[in-house]
Amino acid sequence: QVQLVESGGGVVQPGGSLRLSCTASGFIFSNFGMNWVRQAPGKGLEWVAFIRNDGSNKYYADSVRGRFTISRDNSQNTVYLQMNSLRTEDTAVYFCAKRHCPNTTCYSVDSWGQGTLLTVSS
Amino acid sequence: DIQMTQSPSSLSASVGDRVTITCRASQGISNSLAWFQQKPGKAPKSLIYAASSLQSGVPSKFSGSGSGTDFTLTISSLQPEDFATYYCQQYYSYPITFGQGTRLEIK
Repeated sequence: QVQLVESGGGVVQPGGSLRLSCTASGFIFSNFGMNWVRQAPGKGLEWVAFIRNDGSNKYYADSVRGRFTISRDNSQNTVYLQMNSLRTEDTAVYFCAKRHCPNTTCYSVDSWGQGTLLTVSS
Repeated sequence: DIQMTQSPSSLSASVGDRVTITCRASQGISNSLAWFQQKPGKAPKSLIYAASSLQSGVPSKFSGSGSGTDFTLTISSLQPEDFATYYCQQYYSYPITFGQGTRLEIK
């Protein structure tokens, strides 16, 4: 079955950097786009970034564009989120989520990881 | 950006009830709408995509409808495990956006 395992969260000072990883199993990773979604403490879900299956297209939320970079290594079944110039408002649980493509058409997401917590604090 | 507005923000209901949550998009999104369920401390769970199609393994008590700007999620015969927060999401265009969530509580 599909499994997504995030790692790399922790405590970082404002202005610092961190890289999150999401390792996938149970499906052909190179066939599917991947998303990062975050949730600040006590708040709702916020989409962060998306990368196509082959890495050819990437999209970002306005709140992170220019500071975060999504990438992937299909040989390692892993998607990454490089986060620079971190702010206190980036504090959140970060989830990776697999794009839902049941046939030749793709939709939203169908599977989620358990999340990894990033705390940005001095 | 497309804004997604859910109503109500919170809802109290009893076991056995049928409830409906509404989601409105700030512009037309065809049927590019998904619904998610989230319980405290857990990852979201995907329920519905393309406005009305159930994800694999999701019970038929959940149903979605709508197109364009107005959408609904209906949950019939509420059970204790259904009390959670529900989010809609548009994936018609980037940036993808979520509604603010509807908290479904036990009355």
